[in-house]
Amino acid sequence: EDQVTQSPEALRLQEGESSSLNCSYTVSGLRGLFWYRQDPGKGPEFLFTLYSAGEEKEKERLKATLTKKESFLHITAPKPEDSATYLCAVLGGSSSNTGKLIFGQGTTLQVKP
Amino acid sequence: DTEVTQTPKHLVMGMTNKKSLKCEQHMGHRAMYWYKQKAKKPPELMFVYSYEKLSINESVPSRFSPECPNSSLLNLHLHALQPEDSALYLCASSQERVGGYGYTFGSGTRLTVV
Repeated sequence: EDQVTQSPEALRLQEGESSSLNCSYTVSGLRGLFWYRQDPGKGPEFLFTLYSAGEEKEKERLKATLTKKESFLHITAPKPEDSATYLCAVLGGSSSNTGKLIFGQGTTLQVKP
Repeated sequence: DTEVTQTPKHLVMGMTNKKSLKCEQHMGHRAMYWYKQKAKKPPELMFVYSYEKLSINESVPSRFSPECPNSSLLNLHLHALQPEDSALYLCASSQERVGGYGYTFGSGTRLTVV
């Protein structure tokens, strides 16, 4: 069964203090790993898709990386506006025909000024 | 247009009411989804429409009834809901069912059942 585990559950950082969020996954035939940002009461906002081990993508202060077992979302010199819940999701071979994403529980990031 | 638009943003309904949630996208996406999200939990898939046909129903109670009138519109009809159905209802779309380019989510409808 496809599974996604995110850690930590919550993370508090000072502004400028870099850190990483982890997403461990078990899936048969990874078709894509997705990172989303979600603000309270809003829908998830698409950040990145990663397809194969070794792939990296960057956007402003965020960098996502992928190995065969996990993905990291690195946040460099975060600002208070980066505070949000970050969701990781996978699309596996068994669900690629349905488009059903398997989500992790999310990491809630708080960046203090 | 790269958005998924959901209306209304907030809805309060009684347990005997009938209401509908609406979702619209004009990105040419052929797959559309309804998700339910409770506080501090990840989104849970409810329904998948592919080319305007219902392809997935994740054992959702019949008090939730989806409808896809055309490739741009998705509705969720609500009837005789329970207080535990209170949640954020999210609509999403993607290029076909594979979703390899990622889903685009709407901002959601915050539903409260009283």
